[in-house]
Amino acid sequence: GQQVMQIPQYQHVQEGEDFTTYCNSSTTLSNIQWYKQRPGGHPVFLIQLVKSGEVKKQKRLTFQFGEAKKNSSLHITATQTTDVGTYFCAGPKMKTSYDKVIFGPGTSLSVIP
Amino acid sequence: NAGVTQTPKFRILKIGQSMTLQCTQDMNHNYMYWYRQDPGMGLKLIYYSVGAGITDKGEVPNGYNVSRSTTEDFPLRLELAAPSQTSVYFCASSYGVQLNTEAFFGQGTRLTVV
Repeated sequence: GQQVMQIPQYQHVQEGEDFTTYCNSSTTLSNIQWYKQRPGGHPVFLIQLVKSGEVKKQKRLTFQFGEAKKNSSLHITATQTTDVGTYFCAGPKMKTSYDKVIFGPGTSLSVIP
Repeated sequence: NAGVTQTPKFRILKIGQSMTLQCTQDMNHNYMYWYRQDPGMGLKLIYYSVGAGITDKGEVPNGYNVSRSTTEDFPLRLELAAPSQTSVYFCASSYGVQLNTEAFFGQGTRLTVV
Protein backbone atom coordinates (compact mmCIF):
# COMPACT_ATOMS: atom_id res chain seq x y z
CA GLY A 1 0.00 0.00 0.00
CA GLN A 2 0.92 3.64 -0.14
CA GLN A 3 3.66 4.63 2.30
CA VAL A 4 5.11 7.90 3.45
CA MET A 5 8.48 7.48 5.12
CA GLN A 6 10.69 9.92 6.96
CA ILE A 7 14.36 9.79 7.80
CA PRO A 8 15.96 10.06 10.20
CA GLN A 9 13.61 8.95 12.96
CA TYR A 10 15.61 10.89 15.54
CA GLN A 11 18.22 13.61 15.29
CA HIS A 12 20.22 15.22 18.06
CA VAL A 13 22.09 18.39 17.15
CA GLN A 14 24.12 20.99 18.96
CA GLU A 15 22.45 24.38 19.02
CA GLY A 16 23.61 26.31 15.99
CA GLU A 17 24.06 23.25 13.79
CA ASP A 18 21.92 22.65 10.75
CA PHE A 19 19.25 19.95 10.52
CA THR A 20 17.56 18.21 7.61
CA THR A 21 14.71 15.72 7.53
CA TYR A 22 13.61 13.85 4.44
CA CYS A 23 10.19 12.63 3.44
CA ASN A 24 9.78 9.93 0.80
CA SER A 25 6.61 8.62 -0.76
CA SER A 26 6.04 5.34 -2.57
CA THR A 27 3.71 7.18 -4.96
CA THR A 28 3.72 10.52 -6.74
CA LEU A 29 2.13 13.24 -4.63
CA SER A 30 -0.02 16.08 -5.85
CA ASN A 31 1.18 18.13 -2.89
CA ILE A 32 2.85 17.74 0.47
CA GLN A 33 2.33 19.37 3.84
CA TRP A 34 4.64 19.78 6.82
CA TYR A 35 3.58 19.97 10.45
CA LYS A 36 5.52 20.54 13.67
CA GLN A 37 4.60 19.07 17.03
CA ARG A 38 6.30 20.33 20.16
CA PRO A 39 6.79 17.78 22.99
CA GLY A 40 3.45 17.27 24.70
CA GLY A 41 1.76 19.50 22.15
CA HIS A 42 -0.38 19.18 19.10
CA PRO A 43 0.57 19.28 15.40
CA VAL A 44 0.80 22.75 13.92
CA PHE A 45 0.71 23.34 10.19
CA LEU A 46 3.91 24.79 8.75
CA ILE A 47 3.59 24.83 4.99
CA GLN A 48 2.23 23.22 1.86
CA LEU A 49 4.19 22.56 -1.32
CA VAL A 50 2.45 21.95 -4.62
CA LYS A 51 4.77 22.45 -7.57
CA SER A 52 7.52 20.13 -8.74
CA GLY A 53 10.89 21.44 -7.54
CA GLU A 54 9.24 24.08 -5.38
CA VAL A 55 11.34 25.70 -2.67
CA LYS A 56 9.80 27.79 0.09
CA LYS A 57 11.46 29.53 3.01
CA GLN A 58 10.18 30.54 6.41
CA LYS A 59 12.96 32.38 8.22
CA ARG A 60 15.49 29.63 9.03
CA LEU A 61 13.34 26.83 7.59
CA THR A 62 13.66 25.80 3.95
CA PHE A 63 11.18 23.38 2.41
CA GLN A 64 11.70 21.63 -0.90
CA PHE A 65 9.49 19.43 -3.07
CA GLY A 66 11.30 17.00 -5.33
CA GLU A 67 11.23 17.24 -9.09
CA ALA A 68 9.44 13.90 -9.35
CA LYS A 69 7.02 14.91 -6.54
CA LYS A 70 7.85 11.76 -4.58
CA ASN A 71 10.04 13.34 -1.93
CA SER A 72 10.43 16.47 0.12
CA SER A 73 12.86 17.90 2.62
CA LEU A 74 12.87 20.35 5.49
CA HIS A 75 16.14 22.07 6.32
CA ILE A 76 16.67 24.20 9.41
CA THR A 77 19.66 26.50 9.46
CA ALA A 78 21.39 27.23 12.77
CA THR A 79 19.00 25.33 15.01
CA GLN A 80 17.67 26.89 18.18
CA THR A 81 16.11 25.28 21.23
CA THR A 82 12.73 26.52 20.00
CA ASP A 83 13.09 24.13 17.05
CA VAL A 84 12.76 21.10 19.32
CA GLY A 85 9.88 18.85 18.35
CA THR A 86 8.72 16.29 15.84
CA TYR A 87 8.36 17.24 12.21
CA PHE A 88 5.79 15.38 10.15
CA CYS A 89 5.21 15.38 6.45
CA ALA A 90 1.78 14.53 5.11
CA GLY A 91 0.66 13.68 1.62
CA PRO A 92 -2.64 12.82 -0.05
CA LYS A 93 -3.90 9.31 0.38
CA MET A 94 -4.57 7.94 -3.04
CA LYS A 95 -7.56 5.98 -4.27
CA THR A 96 -10.04 7.29 -1.75
CA SER A 97 -13.50 8.62 -2.32
CA TYR A 98 -12.71 11.68 -0.25
CA ASP A 99 -9.48 13.58 -0.10
CA LYS A 100 -7.47 12.54 2.94
CA VAL A 101 -3.87 12.85 3.98
CA ILE A 102 -1.46 10.22 5.22
CA PHE A 103 1.14 11.27 7.74
CA GLY A 104 4.72 10.10 7.88
CA PRO A 105 6.05 8.74 11.20
CA GLY A 106 7.92 11.99 11.89
CA THR A 107 11.46 13.05 12.69
CA SER A 108 12.10 13.96 16.29
CA LEU A 109 14.61 16.78 16.71
CA SER A 110 16.50 17.41 19.92
CA VAL A 111 18.66 20.50 20.26
CA ILE A 112 21.44 20.50 22.82
CA PRO A 113 22.07 24.00 24.15
CA ASN B 1 -11.58 32.27 18.61
CA ALA B 2 -10.80 29.23 20.72
CA GLY B 3 -10.05 27.11 17.63
CA VAL B 4 -10.45 23.38 18.25
CA THR B 5 -11.25 22.39 21.81
CA GLN B 6 -11.03 18.83 23.12
CA THR B 7 -12.16 17.45 26.44
CA PRO B 8 -11.03 15.78 28.57
CA LYS B 9 -7.25 16.26 28.40
CA PHE B 10 -6.51 13.05 30.27
CA ARG B 11 -8.53 9.96 31.06
CA ILE B 12 -7.94 6.52 32.49
CA LEU B 13 -10.46 3.86 31.51
CA LYS B 14 -10.84 0.29 32.65
CA ILE B 15 -11.09 -2.45 30.06
CA GLY B 16 -14.66 -2.74 28.83
CA GLN B 17 -15.71 0.77 29.84
CA SER B 18 -17.03 3.28 27.35
CA MET B 19 -16.48 6.99 26.97
CA THR B 20 -16.96 9.91 24.63
CA LEU B 21 -14.19 12.27 23.64
CA GLN B 22 -15.59 15.70 22.94
CA CYS B 23 -14.43 18.00 20.16
CA THR B 24 -15.79 21.37 19.19
CA GLN B 25 -14.54 24.05 16.81
CA ASP B 26 -15.62 27.67 16.42
CA MET B 27 -14.13 28.35 12.99
CA ASN B 28 -17.18 27.19 11.02
CA HIS B 29 -15.11 24.50 9.33
CA ASN B 30 -16.96 21.85 7.39
CA TYR B 31 -14.23 19.22 7.64
CA MET B 32 -13.41 17.54 10.92
CA TYR B 33 -11.16 14.60 11.75
CA TRP B 34 -10.20 12.28 14.56
CA TYR B 35 -6.66 10.96 14.70
CA ARG B 36 -4.83 8.74 17.11
CA GLN B 37 -1.12 8.99 17.73
CA ASP B 38 0.87 6.14 19.21
CA PRO B 39 4.42 6.67 20.53
CA GLY B 40 6.95 7.14 17.75
CA MET B 41 4.26 6.93 15.11
CA GLY B 42 2.54 9.38 12.89
CA LEU B 43 -1.12 10.22 13.02
CA LYS B 44 -3.65 7.61 11.98
CA LEU B 45 -7.05 8.75 10.81
CA ILE B 46 -9.92 7.15 12.71
CA TYR B 47 -12.98 8.92 11.31
CA TYR B 48 -13.70 12.10 9.46
CA SER B 49 -16.64 14.26 8.50
CA VAL B 50 -17.17 16.55 5.54
CA GLY B 51 -20.15 18.29 7.05
CA ALA B 52 -23.02 17.96 9.50
CA GLY B 53 -24.70 14.60 9.12
CA ILE B 54 -21.89 13.08 7.03
CA THR B 55 -19.20 10.85 8.46
CA ASP B 56 -16.92 8.18 7.07
CA LYS B 57 -14.28 5.73 8.22
CA GLY B 58 -10.58 6.44 8.12
CA GLU B 59 -7.67 4.01 8.39
CA VAL B 60 -8.34 2.63 11.89
CA PRO B 61 -12.09 2.89 12.70
CA ASN B 62 -12.60 -0.38 14.57
CA GLY B 63 -13.74 0.12 18.16
CA TYR B 64 -14.86 3.71 17.59
CA ASN B 65 -17.96 5.56 16.50
CA VAL B 66 -18.66 9.18 15.63
CA SER B 67 -21.57 11.48 14.96
CA ARG B 68 -21.81 14.96 13.49
CA SER B 69 -25.13 16.56 14.31
CA THR B 70 -23.81 20.12 14.12
CA THR B 71 -21.02 21.89 12.25
CA GLU B 72 -19.27 22.67 15.53
CA ASP B 73 -19.20 19.30 17.29
CA PHE B 74 -17.65 15.97 16.37
CA PRO B 75 -17.60 13.57 19.34
CA LEU B 76 -15.72 10.28 19.25
CA ARG B 77 -17.23 7.33 21.10
CA LEU B 78 -15.18 4.43 22.42
CA GLU B 79 -17.20 1.32 23.13
CA LEU B 80 -15.75 -1.51 25.22
CA ALA B 81 -12.34 0.06 25.74
CA ALA B 82 -9.32 -2.17 25.11
CA PRO B 83 -5.62 -1.68 26.02
CA SER B 84 -4.88 -1.28 22.29
CA GLN B 85 -6.84 1.97 22.41
CA THR B 86 -4.32 3.54 24.77
CA SER B 87 -3.13 6.49 22.75
CA VAL B 88 -3.26 10.24 22.30
CA TYR B 89 -6.31 11.35 20.38
CA PHE B 90 -6.38 14.51 18.32
CA CYS B 91 -9.36 16.19 16.80
CA ALA B 92 -8.74 18.49 13.85
CA SER B 93 -10.71 20.67 11.49
CA SER B 94 -10.12 22.37 8.19
CA TYR B 95 -11.95 24.87 6.01
CA GLY B 96 -11.58 22.77 2.88
CA VAL B 97 -10.35 19.30 2.17
CA GLN B 98 -7.26 18.59 4.26
CA LEU B 99 -5.48 17.68 1.08
CA ASN B 100 -5.35 21.32 0.09
CA THR B 101 -5.74 23.35 3.26
CA GLU B 102 -4.28 23.74 6.70
CA ALA B 103 -5.71 21.53 9.42
CA PHE B 104 -6.09 22.94 12.92
CA PHE B 105 -5.58 20.49 15.74
CA GLY B 106 -6.94 20.42 19.26
CA GLN B 107 -4.72 19.99 22.30
CA GLY B 108 -5.27 16.25 22.42
CA THR B 109 -6.72 13.71 24.85
CA ARG B 110 -4.31 11.29 26.46
CA LEU B 111 -6.22 8.06 27.08
CA THR B 112 -4.95 5.09 29.05
CA VAL B 113 -6.90 1.83 29.17
CA VAL B 114 -5.97 -0.45 32.07
